[in-house]
Amino acid sequence: AQSVTQPDIHITVSEGASLELRCNYSYGATPYLFWYVQSPGQGLQLLLKYFSGDTLVQGIKGFEAEFKRSQSSFNLRKPSVHWSDAAEYFCAVAGGFKTIFGAGTRLFVKA
Amino acid sequence: AAGVIQSPRHLIKEKRETATLKCYPIPRHDTVYWYQQGPGQDPQFLISFYEKMQSDKGSIPDRFSAQQFSDYHSELNMSSLELGDSALYFCASSLMGHRPSNTEAFFGQGTRLTVV
Repeated sequence: AQSVTQPDIHITVSEGASLELRCNYSYGATPYLFWYVQSPGQGLQLLLKYFSGDTLVQGIKGFEAEFKRSQSSFNLRKPSVHWSDAAEYFCAVAGGFKTIFGAGTRLFVKA
Repeated sequence: AAGVIQSPRHLIKEKRETATLKCYPIPRHDTVYWYQQGPGQDPQFLISFYEKMQSDKGSIPDRFSAQQFSDYHSELNMSSLELGDSALYFCASSLMGHRPSNTEAFFGQGTRLTVV
């Protein structure tokens, strides 16, 4: 069965510092992987996606993610965090007729 | 570009009432999905439809039903509402006719249902 694990419930980083959000997935075939961001009370915004090809994918807002099949991971990174990046981040895997989300990681940014 | 449209954006109902949420997918998309996101929770898959037929079913309560119409819009019907049904309900759509490159689901802004 498909599943997504985000080990960190919340993370706090200083503005300007680098960020890495962890995501591990379980899926029997080639996974289609996504990262979404959600501000409080808002909808889901797609940051980036991986279907195939280059394992390092670039997204919007300066985010990138690296697919590592050997580790079943799809970690999200940003070299320099801005205060506006504070939000909830969801990793997701798609297969068949549904998308399965991880529990989310809430990012706090301190000045 | 056209996005997924959900209506209403906000809805307040009393316990035991019924509610109908509507979703209008991106034009030419053939698949719709419904998700429920409780406070502080991740979105939970409820149900999906492909070409007007139910394609997958998740944790949708028996009190809920959904369908996809000939114009591909979808409605989620919720009866005997309970306080625990208060949540953000997302609809998403995708084009499955050309898998695998189109398995990305595009999400609407959600309908916030409050049951009092």
